[in-house]
Amino acid sequence: GAVVSQHPSRVICKSGTSVKIECRSLDFQATTMFWYRQFPKQSLMLMATSNEGSKATYEQGVEKDKFLINHASLTLSTLTVTSAHPEDSSFYICSAPVPSGIQYFGAGTRLSVL
Amino acid sequence: DQQVKQNSPSLSVQEGRISILNCDYTNSMFDYFLWYKKYPAEGPTFLISISSIKDKNEDGRFTVFLNKSAKHLSLHIVPSQPGDSAVYFCAARREPLYNNNDMRFGAGTRLTVKP
Repeated sequence: GAVVSQHPSRVICKSGTSVKIECRSLDFQATTMFWYRQFPKQSLMLMATSNEGSKATYEQGVEKDKFLINHASLTLSTLTVTSAHPEDSSFYICSAPVPSGIQYFGAGTRLSVL
Repeated sequence: DQQVKQNSPSLSVQEGRISILNCDYTNSMFDYFLWYKKYPAEGPTFLISISSIKDKNEDGRFTVFLNKSAKHLSLHIVPSQPGDSAVYFCAARREPLYNNNDMRFGAGTRLTVKP
């Protein structure tokens, strides 16, 4: 299957700092990538759709200014959590679809804000 | 609005027996369904999918059944192996033909296969 690389796998930061998470499709191009958030023992919640060459589409209730998304190329999307606070601590996962519609996921990033 | 539901948070089966994981959906516009497997601290791994034009899709030990009238699908794993122990997520979306990004996940079912 297709490979999606996500980095870093874990980050610990102080409250008020910004954190950037990268998502790369390694062996295919992705004009669209997705960013999810997972709370403990809960499902994956779609946060936003990252679109190459245009603005990201955010789900209802997700703050655009808080979670900045940049789809810099056909193989890279970044999620920046700005001015992170403890309530932003979570597991963030990106995915990219192949033409068949199957989404392939990155390994996820565990963010802990102190 | 939970459009995809997995009502069993956990399931425990003996090695060699069948595991049956269930999933229900409410949105009748969904016509493409996927199962993902997830280990702790890792991203979900695609397992198997089924289009609404089919009622069964089989891949090795994994079979997905779809009952469109009941808006219900299930994943059968037989025989179950200890390495199958993971959280299984059901997901649903529009057919890729529509290029629709709206894929929704269930809450997951934690499967434990005992040796």
